Amino acid sequence: KNEVEQSPQNLTAQEGEFITINCSYSVGISALHWLQQHPGGGIVSLFMLSSGKKKHGRLIATINIQEKHSSLHITASHPRDSAVYICAVSSGSARQLTFGSGTQLTVLP
Amino acid sequence: DTGVSQNPRHKITKRGQNVTFRCDPISEHNRLYWYRQTLGQGPEFLTYFQNEAQLEKSRLLSDRFSAERPKGSFSTLEIQRTEQGDSAMYLCASSLSGGYNEQFFGPGTRLTVL
Repeated sequence: KNEVEQSPQNLTAQEGEFITINCSYSVGISALHWLQQHPGGGIVSLFMLSSGKKKHGRLIATINIQEKHSSLHITASHPRDSAVYICAVSSGSARQLTFGSGTQLTVLP
Repeated sequence: DTGVSQNPRHKITKRGQNVTFRCDPISEHNRLYWYRQTLGQGPEFLTYFQNEAQLEKSRLLSDRFSAERPKGSFSTLEIQRTEQGDSAMYLCASSLSGGYNEQFFGPGTRLTVL
């Protein structure tokens, strides 16, 4: 069993739909990260959170420490949101990231 | 540009050859990480530097891999006697130390071993 599990692996939505991506982890963490990766490899950090909820524009990230679960929500999805969304946890003294396998999101116009 | 840069962006090599990649972190960041990502998977941690000291190495980092960060600035990752299984995207990230600090990623170096 992987330390970080994401679901779904693939998600196709129509423009305007509300999207949820889930992440569960099995290890103690310092923080949980949501990252976005576009074709070509570049990774951008969307959120880093250790408790509660954060919002940035149409993106919302929540974490439940007791249940070891986090969700990433996208409201009013748009084709430009199409990308791979990756959940990662940081732990250890080095704070290195352990990544989930990613969710490929495709938003159709 | 004050982001993380990596060179080269793409490298094609023949099996058995040595390759070296370079990462230039954000200048004030003293933490530097190397990750490897294979197709369809999330990245995996390879190694970590705090300034010039290499403090952690993953079991994924076989004896053919070596990383350095002289003077605590740029870092290099060398792979000796490359194998086809080394084909992957090699990602570098940097961050400030202390507390919970966001990691900033470079664009990656895509290695193809023929």
